Amino acid sequence: GQQLNQSPQSMFIQEGEDVSMNCTSSSIFNTWLWYKQDPGEGPVLLIALYKAGELTSNGRLTAQFGITRKDSFLNISASIPSDVGIYFCAGPLNTGFQKLVFGTGTRLLVSP
Amino acid sequence: NAGVTQTPKFQVLKTGQSMTLQCAQDMNHNSMYWYRQDPGMGLRLIYYSASEGTTDKGEVPNGYNVSRLNKREFSLRLESAAPSQTSVYFCASSRTANYEQYFGPGTRLTVT
Repeated sequence: GQQLNQSPQSMFIQEGEDVSMNCTSSSIFNTWLWYKQDPGEGPVLLIALYKAGELTSNGRLTAQFGITRKDSFLNISASIPSDVGIYFCAGPLNTGFQKLVFGTGTRLLVSP
Repeated sequence: NAGVTQTPKFQVLKTGQSMTLQCAQDMNHNSMYWYRQDPGMGLRLIYYSASEGTTDKGEVPNGYNVSRLNKREFSLRLESAAPSQTSVYFCASSRTANYEQYFGPGTRLTVT
């Protein structure tokens, strides 16, 4: 079945640094979504990508839909302590209506 | 606008007990979903409802039942709880023909 591999699994950075993480699949995706989950909370949608090559920003966050359609990237610029959390990528399962498969997440820790 | 709400927030059950997790959304979304989240496993789809009056199995439906009570509400029932069902449960919703899913705050369930 479809699987999404995220890397790195975790990152520990200093405040102010830029962060990059990625998500890859063995299958082609037509949509990529990026979510952030704070401890004890539900995932929050950050960015949605619907077109290969698309580059979309949301404040300090920028995500890209890979040209091969098998990967996506999320960058965070000038990180701050509230960026701490787990970042998930997600894409539609090829078996059905609006069903998503999620990556296992990248845990980000930011040191002040 | 509360978005997606879930009750209860925490629950402890003994093996064999039953309970229903409640979910409601006020975004006029057609589709609703139930996920479970376990350490290292990401989010896995239990059941979903593409529209009012329909429900379908996801990746891990065994041991669960659902009811789409109306357009706003989608409940998840555990008929005979097992320790393997200890998890965090999230409800989500989305507009028709749109993969952007919005999540509730979760229910933390422990089965002893």
